[in-house]
Order: sequence, then C-alpha cells, then structure tokens
Amino acid sequence: DIQMTQSPSSLSASVGDRVIITCRASENIDSHLNWYQQKPGKAPRLLIYAASSLQSGVPSRFSGSGSGKDFTLAISSLQPEDFATYYCQQSDSTPRTFGQGTKVEIK
Amino acid sequence: EVQLVESGGGLVQSGGSLRLSCAASGFTFSNYAMHWVRQGPGKGLEYVSTISSNGGTTYHANSVKGRFTTSRDNSKNILYLQMGSLRVEDMAVYYCARRSGQVGPFDIWGQGTMVTVSS
Repeated sequence: DIQMTQSPSSLSASVGDRVIITCRASENIDSHLNWYQQKPGKAPRLLIYAASSLQSGVPSRFSGSGSGKDFTLAISSLQPEDFATYYCQQSDSTPRTFGQGTKVEIK
Repeated sequence: EVQLVESGGGLVQSGGSLRLSCAASGFTFSNYAMHWVRQGPGKGLEYVSTISSNGGTTYHANSVKGRFTTSRDNSKNILYLQMGSLRVEDMAVYYCARRSGQVGPFDIWGQGTMVTVSS
C-alpha cells in the first residue's frame, strides 16, 4: 500500500496568512493526488484533484502543486471559514490511502 | 441534485453484524465506481472498500478483509456495506463516496452514518 505523510499535523495561523501544507507519497504517484477539507461533524469536501486542478466552486485562494512523491496545498489568504482539517489522498492505486490530516487552527 | 445518503448505522455488540446502505440520486449510479471510507472518533479518514461500476470487482482494506462485504444494486441505485464480526475498533462514522474516473478523486460524499460497537 502507498503511505501518505502530511506535515505539519497541525498549525496555528491568523486570518490573512498564507498557509502551506505538504504531502509526501511513499512511491511515485505521478499527479494522482487529491486534497479534501473537513469541518467538524461534516463530510469531507473535495478541493483539489489531479494535484493542481481546482474543484468547481472552490475559492481560487486554494491551490495545489507537485508531482511524483511531493505535493503542496496552499491557501493564499486564510479566511475564517478555512479553519478545518485538510487531507491528501492518492488515487494512483488501490487502496486509495489518505494522509493523517492537518488541522488548521486559529492563532 | 447529486446526492448520496447513508443509512443503517447504530449500536451493535462486539461480534455482531450490521448492513449499511447508501442511496444515490441525481446521477447515473451504474457509471461510477463507489467507495466506503470511515473515520473513528477523533481520528483521520480510513479507506474501507471499493466496488467497480458493474459490481464485478471489489477490494477491501486489510483491516476489514474477510469480515466486510461491499455490494451494489444498480437497478435500485444503492450501495451496501455488510459488516460482520464487528470489533470495537470498527466504531466510526462510515461515509460512502463516488469516484470520478479511473484515477479520479472522491467527488461526492454522503453525510455519514455512525456505527457504535460495544464490548
């Protein structure tokens, strides 16, 4: 199985900050990497697919980059509604494994 | 509206069984592979299973293999997860999700259904 490792596990940031979350795969997954946002008590929501494609309806302050093993999710200017937990997921092979999550908290 | 609605969760004793359902609407269900994902209390997302669009191929995580079975009824637009020999560590919110394309993301998720396993 492909292991996905996110860093950091949590971070504190202020509204307006630029935030970067990284995700590393245990083997090459090309661009088959997705990012999800989850708020407490809610289902995950797809933000980015194929490493850098923005899902319809997702604000443009979210962006993704990377290929191969190393990927990043960036939030250009953190908004109050962005405080949540973010997960990466590889879709290169089954099982479709997730990273352990990064919790973004208010500073 | 494209929608997935899970049902069937509840309280079950360790060793017991439960069947979850996921009703799909607003899209051609038979065109999509489907998945189950779970999330234990305070934990991250854990992949559980995959079923192909025609139901002919399934895959289960090692943690549930031999105890859980995934199936679907394309005539009724329903996905199932039959869970047996339940353990305390199976306690979680279970989500069904639609996969978009062969290597695509899980683009539609249900609201989740809670499974509680008592010892």
